[in-house]
Amino acid sequence: GAVVSQHPSWVICKSGTSVKIECRSLDFQATTMFWYRQFPKQSLMLMATSNEGSKATYEQGVEKDKFLINHASLTLSTLTVTSAHPEDSSFYICSAGTSYEQFFGPGTRLTVL
Amino acid sequence: AQSVTQPDIHITVSEGASLELRCNYSYGATPYLFWYVQSPGQGLQLLLKYFSGDTLVQGIKGFEAEFKRSQSSFNLRKPSVHWSDAAEYFCAVGAGEYGNKLVFGAGTILRVKS
Repeated sequence: GAVVSQHPSWVICKSGTSVKIECRSLDFQATTMFWYRQFPKQSLMLMATSNEGSKATYEQGVEKDKFLINHASLTLSTLTVTSAHPEDSSFYICSAGTSYEQFFGPGTRLTVL
Repeated sequence: AQSVTQPDIHITVSEGASLELRCNYSYGATPYLFWYVQSPGQGLQLLLKYFSGDTLVQGIKGFEAEFKRSQSSFNLRKPSVHWSDAAEYFCAVGAGEYGNKLVFGAGTILRVKS
């Protein structure tokens, strides 16, 4: 199957700093990627839909100025957590694929001190 | 709005025993349904999916699921569980215009005892 990578796999940062997470589709082109957030012992919650060449579409309740998404190419989407705070600590997962199957990245563990 | 319910947070089964993980969904149209597995530190792996046709779907690793429209269910089954099946399992329904926005259930953690 197709491979989606994320970088970094884990990051620790100080409160108030910004963190960028990359999501890459390694062997296919993805016009649409999705970003999810997973809290400990909870399910994945869709944060936003990343569209190549256009603005991301955010789910209700997700702050677009807090979670900046850029989909600069058909193989790369980035999520930037701006001015991170401890409550932003979470597991962030991206996915990419077709209408019929999504391939998930391994996730990025963000810890904000 | 679409929603998925996985009523069992934890399930423990003995190795070699059969397994059934429950999933109920709420969706207005014909749903796209998925089961994913997540092992610690790993990304989600697709076990199987249902879009249309035969309501009994075969997946990888010996898993199968049956779509029952009358019960709004898509339960996952395996006849004989292996210790390596211990993981967290997520049921999801595909929403949005193209069915590729996934709404996940809360997940079921499977423990396998030897």
